[in-house]
Amino acid sequence: KAGVTQTPRYLIKTRGQQVTLSCSPISGHRSVSWYQQTPGQGLQFLFEYFSETQRNKGNFPGRFSGRQFSNSRSEMNVSTLELGDSALYLCASSLAGTGRLGEQFFGPGTRLTVL
Amino acid sequence: GEDVEQSLFLSVREGDSSVINCTYTDSSSTYLYWYKQEPGAGLQLLTYIFSNMDMKQDQRLTVLLNKKDKHLSLRIADTQTGDSAIYSCPRDNYGQNFVFGPGTRLSVLP
Repeated sequence: KAGVTQTPRYLIKTRGQQVTLSCSPISGHRSVSWYQQTPGQGLQFLFEYFSETQRNKGNFPGRFSGRQFSNSRSEMNVSTLELGDSALYLCASSLAGTGRLGEQFFGPGTRLTVL
Repeated sequence: GEDVEQSLFLSVREGDSSVINCTYTDSSSTYLYWYKQEPGAGLQLLTYIFSNMDMKQDQRLTVLLNKKDKHLSLRIADTQTGDSAIYSCPRDNYGQNFVFGPGTRLSVLP
């Protein structure tokens, strides 16, 4: 069974630009969550999508948005990039979310650098 | 990350045991997890424990849960250089998402 894939793996952008990251979950998984990881910080939850609907959202500004397609693939968009957005963005898929035994399977991440 | 407290660094010698600790301010999780993150890789689930258990053993890994003190620990026996990584112990936020601490960077010295 293929794991969670994220594209691209590395990205360099400049301030003010926008970026779109993609995540393909494990086949059959309907929940996709996005996390931001910065040096010295734990993973910060961005949002979770389930069956094309945003079900949960973390405390990030509106510049961060996402969507999920009918095949469960998800995209995350960051507009008007700031230097502080430089981070590793991880997505995780699970069958139905973190409730009960909500084991999440993580992708390798997209490392975004904002210059 | 305030909900989950961890030491940032731990160094041990190869062959020794490692003990990584987590403390939670909120103990509502039904399951508690240990994840391992190696450089350039995503997080890999190592093990989990159900909240009504106080211990779980899985080969070299032993998880201890003290629910009264809201304290979770991961013991790695016979630590190897391949165990060098960041270890995280997220809690389940009422079935909505995981809440992570800063992670503990384990360095294994030869």
